[in-house]
Amino acid sequence: KAGVTQTPRYLIKTRGQQVTLSCSPISGHRSVSWYQQTPGQGLQFLFEYFSETQRNKGNFPGRFSGRQFSNSRSEMNVSTLELGDSALYLCASSLGIDRDSPLHFGNGTRLTVT
Amino acid sequence: AQSVTQPDIHITVSEGASLELRCNYSYGATPYLFWYVQSPGQGLQLLLKYFSGDTLVQGIKGFEAEFKRSQSSFNLRKPSVHWSDAAEYFCAVGNFNKFYFGSGTKLNVKP
Repeated sequence: KAGVTQTPRYLIKTRGQQVTLSCSPISGHRSVSWYQQTPGQGLQFLFEYFSETQRNKGNFPGRFSGRQFSNSRSEMNVSTLELGDSALYLCASSLGIDRDSPLHFGNGTRLTVT
Repeated sequence: AQSVTQPDIHITVSEGASLELRCNYSYGATPYLFWYVQSPGQGLQLLLKYFSGDTLVQGIKGFEAEFKRSQSSFNLRKPSVHWSDAAEYFCAVGNFNKFYFGSGTKLNVKP
């Protein structure tokens, strides 16, 4: 089975721009979660989608949004980029049905905002 | 409030020595506990998980973890460390896909 695929691997954007990150989950997984990883804050939960519906949300401003398509692929959008948005953005998929379903992570998208 | 604490930011051990990485959690409901490993430039890989049952769980790559409810701990152990174990290790608690991660422990392995 192919793993979780995130594209692109690297992005460089300027303050004020917007960006869209893409995630393709493992086949059969209906849940996709997004995390922001920074050296100072560690891994922080952004949101989780299950069957095209946002099921959980973290404490991030409205500039961060996401969506999930009928094939379970997901996109995350960040508008009006700030320097502090520079981070590794990790996508993870799971079956999303059982409480102990582990997350399977992609290799991330490294976003640099200049 | 839900949280995970990994008190050791960096640990250095000699190859062949034993390893224990500490994890303490605070969680209002039944904890579902996980350990992940991250190599540089990579995503996180699941090492093991605990939900219920035997409090000593076995994972991949020879790792094991012990759940102690009285201490709210879920420490990761390995009897003999290999150079390839050098990475960052994350403890997590959560369920239904909202996970709380610790800040991670970076493991260095001396030859």
